[in-house]
Amino acid sequence: QVQLQESGPGLVKPSQTLSLTCTVSGGSISSNDYYWSWIRQQPGKGLEWIGYISFRGSTYYNPSLKSRVSMSLDTSKVHFSLRLNSVTAADTAVYYCAGYKTGAFDSWGQGALVTVTS
Amino acid sequence: EIVLTQSPDFQSVTPKEKVTITCRASQSIDSSLHWYQQKPDQPPKILITLASQSFSGVPSRFSGSGSGTEFTLTINGLEAEDAATYYCHQSRSLPQTFGQGTKLEIK
Repeated sequence: QVQLQESGPGLVKPSQTLSLTCTVSGGSISSNDYYWSWIRQQPGKGLEWIGYISFRGSTYYNPSLKSRVSMSLDTSKVHFSLRLNSVTAADTAVYYCAGYKTGAFDSWGQGALVTVTS
Repeated sequence: EIVLTQSPDFQSVTPKEKVTITCRASQSIDSSLHWYQQKPDQPPKILITLASQSFSGVPSRFSGSGSGTEFTLTINGLEAEDAATYYCHQSRSLPQTFGQGTKLEIK
């Protein structure tokens, strides 16, 4: 398992862009074993898969968010990133980065709470 | 999109009891079903992969079974530290989805 840590602003204004970064340690971000993932959890709710990116840069997004999401990966800086455009209060959530391997999310960051508020 | 439905939503149990949580998929997902445990203010932690394979370091009291559309997570000999919310997750098809969660309370 690798270690993951999210970072980014905790407050975002409505209609603006949410940006988070996940730093990977204890393993190679260039590993073809992993898909680097984002998952969110709205307050008091369950888990929602946002999407993931492979080390080659292939991306797969949840259709429910696809028009607003983009992910990127920087192997030299050992991090990957999430951008979510045109946010509303419904995007307030804890955002987790996770490593996806052989079908399951086996490594998780601690989570970053992002609140959308004016 | 594959919908996963867990039952029950909530269960209050006593230590040493045997607990069974069910996850039903809206269509067959073979064995592409995984279980996680989440405690308050913590990220989920993987317990079981591919329906029945215990992840490294997970106590042996946790086990999983099933295939197709019906799956079970069993906790044999519940301990106080098992108070948490449990989620199933399918990786058979995109978008990947999670069950709504089952909250276990220890009496």
